Amino acid sequence: GQSLEQPSEVTAVEGAIVQINCTYQTSGFYGLSWYQQHDGGAPTFLSYNALDGLEETGRFSSFLSRSDSYGYLLLQELQMKDSASYFCAVRGGSQGNLIFGKGTKLSVKP
Amino acid sequence: DAGVIQSPRHEVTEMGQEVTLRCKPISGHNSLFWYRQTMMRGLELLIYFNNNVPIDDSGMPEDRFSAKMPNASFSTLKIQPSEPRDSAVYFCAATRGREQFFGPGTRLTVL
Repeated sequence: GQSLEQPSEVTAVEGAIVQINCTYQTSGFYGLSWYQQHDGGAPTFLSYNALDGLEETGRFSSFLSRSDSYGYLLLQELQMKDSASYFCAVRGGSQGNLIFGKGTKLSVKP
Repeated sequence: DAGVIQSPRHEVTEMGQEVTLRCKPISGHNSLFWYRQTMMRGLELLIYFNNNVPIDDSGMPEDRFSAKMPNASFSTLKIQPSEPRDSAVYFCAATRGREQFFGPGTRLTVL
């Protein structure tokens, strides 16, 4: 089967840096994605890592280590609008399904 | 491209009634997915289609749930009969390349 683990909640202050970790177990692996979801909204795509290393998109970066079945999302220069839930998702298994973690609720304080 | 469109946005119904959720995916998509999200269970994959063909419906809770995709531009998720435990937000999503685009969701409340 497939499973993902990520912290349920993280709190940080404006301007800070926060890292949200994700560990996964899957039979067959195609890539690790990150999605952001604001309260009452739909998940929106942030990043995708198929290969080891760091992918940077503006203030957000995502890292993958396939050998460790581990990845993280790094958010820099936190802003209040970054308060949201962040989901890691693995594309794996025999069908290449996208399976989501439970999400990490990030609260950014002034 | 208007993105993934779902209707209705909100649905309140009584236990035992049939509920039909609709989805119009983005153009040029590869696959279409139906998810259910609740506080307790998070985001759960119910079923997905490739080229309008159901590939994996192992997430469909039980026989009361059914999904169809008669063409590339339309899909439905039907619950018959509905139960209070079906109350959730149902998302339709379509994949294009490596990115999955979500619709705004349908918030279903079964009384």
